[in-house]
Amino acid sequence: DGGITQSPKYLFRKEGQNVTLSCEQNLNHDAMYWYRQDPGQGLRLIYYSQIVNDFQKGDIAEGYSVSREKKESFPLTVTSAQKNPTAFYLCASKAGSGETQYFGPGTRLLVL
Amino acid sequence: SQQGEEDPQALSIQEGENATMNCSYKTSINNLQWYRQNSGRGLVHLILIRSNEREKHSGRLRVTLDTSKKSSSLLITASRAADTASYFCATGSGGSYIPTFGRGTSLIVHP
Repeated sequence: DGGITQSPKYLFRKEGQNVTLSCEQNLNHDAMYWYRQDPGQGLRLIYYSQIVNDFQKGDIAEGYSVSREKKESFPLTVTSAQKNPTAFYLCASKAGSGETQYFGPGTRLLVL
Repeated sequence: SQQGEEDPQALSIQEGENATMNCSYKTSINNLQWYRQNSGRGLVHLILIRSNEREKHSGRLRVTLDTSKKSSSLLITASRAADTASYFCATGSGGSYIPTFGRGTSLIVHP
């Protein structure tokens, strides 16, 4: 099956801890994105990557970091600098020439 | 930055009725897309309409685009309980690889 997967489905973070959210796609898409969604809100862009080994900050990048070492993978690290990390995190990918994003099922991050 | 804004924020209807939701945006666009999100899930692409198109259909979905008013509407005909979800519009402009999402319309269809 082709698609985009995120893991884990739920993640708990202790104060001062860094946590990493996984995003993998086998769609051979060039571009990948991370969004944050708060209750009743739209999607806010955290980071995006158009090609391997390159990524750009989105609107709310502070307290987050990413890497893009492989085309199929775009992990997001929520660092201890992110003081309000509780949210639903969505990963998406898009073909280079395409206009439509394909979304993963999301990871819900909760703070203990 | 959010460009598209959906209206209404919430919509509650009975099964079989039509549901209409609107999206307004501020700057020129190349295309506008509608996505659906079931509770606690990822977004699913529904339909894309380009700036030179005025109307598109896909099954029970009808999308219109009025670039002079910078607005779009999504009509779901003969709604079903399974249509219960949040619906988002996303606009793309210029050479942007980054669609800009609105806050969504929460649709509840009562059986």
